[in-house]
Amino acid sequence: EAQVTQNPRYLITVTGKKLTVTCSQNMNHEYMSWYRQDPGLGLRQIYYSMNVEVTDKGDVPEGYKVSRKEKRNFPLILESPSPNQTSLYFCASSSSQGKGQETQYFGPGTRLLVL
Amino acid sequence: QQQVKQSPQSLIVQKGGISIINCAYENTAFDYFPWYQQFPGKGPALLIAIRPDVSEKKEGRFTISFNKSAKQFSLHIMDSQPGDSATYFCAAGIIQGAQKLVFGQGTRLTINP
Repeated sequence: EAQVTQNPRYLITVTGKKLTVTCSQNMNHEYMSWYRQDPGLGLRQIYYSMNVEVTDKGDVPEGYKVSRKEKRNFPLILESPSPNQTSLYFCASSSSQGKGQETQYFGPGTRLLVL
Repeated sequence: QQQVKQSPQSLIVQKGGISIINCAYENTAFDYFPWYQQFPGKGPALLIAIRPDVSEKKEGRFTISFNKSAKQFSLHIMDSQPGDSATYFCAAGIIQGAQKLVFGQGTRLTINP
């Protein structure tokens, strides 16, 4: 089954404690993105990646890091989480080729609470 | 900052009625306008999308109307059903490149039986 998986799905942590949210896709997609979803603000792109070792900032990159060492994985790293990073996070992937290339496939989300 | 403005924030429609959600964008370089549907506890899923070379696209009960000169597009849900109750996001972006979509604020749609 084609899918994007994220782990963990729920996470409670404290300010300053480094954490990583993993994202993996099994569709051999080149493009991957991270979004955060906040009430009244919709989805905002944090970082995106066009392929292995190619990443760039989205609209709200401050406080986040990413890496793309393998095509299928795109982890999101919070080196020193703060309460304003409490949010619902989504990973998404899409293909660069063929019909429907523009469709982004979203993971199930990770709900993060930073105390 | 590039923006997509979506309205209303919430919408209640009776079963069988027409649900209408509107979006406006600023960047004339955008050439791809999707609508995503999100159910509670799930990630958004593509519902329908349009390119600026057409003014309307219909898929079943869902229709996108696009007005390039006004930089506006809207989603119409005909014969709305309780199963359509969800949050809807419009988005805009440029197809070529890294799929950098800009999303609207979202509309929580409730269809009353």
